[in-house]
Amino acid sequence: GENVEQHPSTLSVQEGDSAVIKCTYSDSASNYFPWYKQELGKRPQLIIDIRSNVGEKKDQRIAVTLNKTAKHFSLHITETQPEDSAVYFCAATSSGGYQKVTFGTGTKLQVIP
Amino acid sequence: NAGVMQNPRHLVRRRGQEARLRCSPVKGHSHVYWYRQLPEEGLKFMVYLQKENIIDESGMPKERFSAEFPKEGPSILRIQQVVRGDSAAYFCASSPSTVGTNEKLFFGSGTQLSVL
Repeated sequence: GENVEQHPSTLSVQEGDSAVIKCTYSDSASNYFPWYKQELGKRPQLIIDIRSNVGEKKDQRIAVTLNKTAKHFSLHITETQPEDSAVYFCAATSSGGYQKVTFGTGTKLQVIP
Repeated sequence: NAGVMQNPRHLVRRRGQEARLRCSPVKGHSHVYWYRQLPEEGLKFMVYLQKENIIDESGMPKERFSAEFPKEGPSILRIQQVVRGDSAAYFCASSPSTVGTNEKLFFGSGTQLSVL
């Protein structure tokens, strides 16, 4: 099955700086890579996703890049704000009959005002 | 557009009791996923169901745990004879068709199960 690794597990940045979270996946047939943000005590919410036919996608201060050859993808947050503080999960789909979403272990991002 | 509804929000059980967690997917969604989350940890896949069918239960313990998604009504995750190690947040997510086409997972607010 699919295996998703995520780094770092914790990340502290000063407000206004950029934050980068990296993930690798194992199944070369995976083709959909969403990112979820989970605030304390809340549900995970989709913030951005990318499909395997695209190398980069941007949405305001958030961008995701995908390197299919190396099987890794990254989340970039620019001009971080305190409200960006949360746990971020990457995910990848696995192949084989249906596409199951497998999550990384999460990155706890703290933005220091 | 009502989102995924889970209840109860918090559930307290004593060891040996049964826990029933309910999930009503987004209207029109026919696919339901259950995930378990321990404190400070990630989302662990448990089971994937379509209406009346279990598609993948590879993440669900073989004993004490069961799930269903009947033709009518919510999806139910049932844990029999709960133990302290079952204490966790259980999240349900739904999608209208297989993720990886044009659909995404929508999560409920979760049920926090505490076993005394």
